[in-house]
Amino acid sequence: DTAVSQTPKYLVTQMGNDKSIKCEQNLGHDTMYWYKQDSKKFLKIMFSYNNKELIINETVPNRFSPKSPDKAHLNLHINSLELGDSAVYFCASSAVQETQYFGPGTRLLVL
Amino acid sequence: GESVGLHLPTLSVQEGDNSIINCAYSNSASDYFIWYKQESGKGPQFIIDIRSNMDKRQGQRVTVLLNKTVKHLSLQIAATQPGDSAVYFCAETQGSSNTGKLIFGQGTTLQVKP
Repeated sequence: DTAVSQTPKYLVTQMGNDKSIKCEQNLGHDTMYWYKQDSKKFLKIMFSYNNKELIINETVPNRFSPKSPDKAHLNLHINSLELGDSAVYFCASSAVQETQYFGPGTRLLVL
Repeated sequence: GESVGLHLPTLSVQEGDNSIINCAYSNSASDYFIWYKQESGKGPQFIIDIRSNMDKRQGQRVTVLLNKTVKHLSLQIAATQPGDSAVYFCAETQGSSNTGKLIFGQGTTLQVKP
């Protein structure tokens, strides 16, 4: 029944590694998003895709590369992880200009 | 620059009292506003939304008020319960594009005292 799911829930890794976070939604939405929440709980959009096409790229370092194999999935790959990448990453989905529904988050800790 | 802000970082209320959480936004072109609730360890959960052609919208125990003149948004929770304890975010969409880009405020922590 989970509408927006993410894996893994926790991710602990070393600096310099490459990691991926996966997101899937079963709501039939056309648009999916990635947000980053920092230690002060501030939520900021990173990317959005509409029908597998990149719509928003909010000046995120190019070490971050989203990939949408189909409109139900939006994965986030991060190369050469840095300490500052430690955060909670949320996936969300929506119909166009409608409410966004969020996943449970992936807690990334870079050591 | 663009910003959505909240007036208080923490709000403490007694169980059973009404809670009011405030939010100020800066972009008068924003036309859709949403309140989210985030419990510890979970993702933001939709509570209620309002479009700019409305001043007030009511849900179950929650009411959102929009004052476009002063660019102010508030969330009222009636008969606050311990389960309402969470961080509350207001968010807005800006402009007429269909990107769905949400700008979030910094969040208000609601603490409900039994």
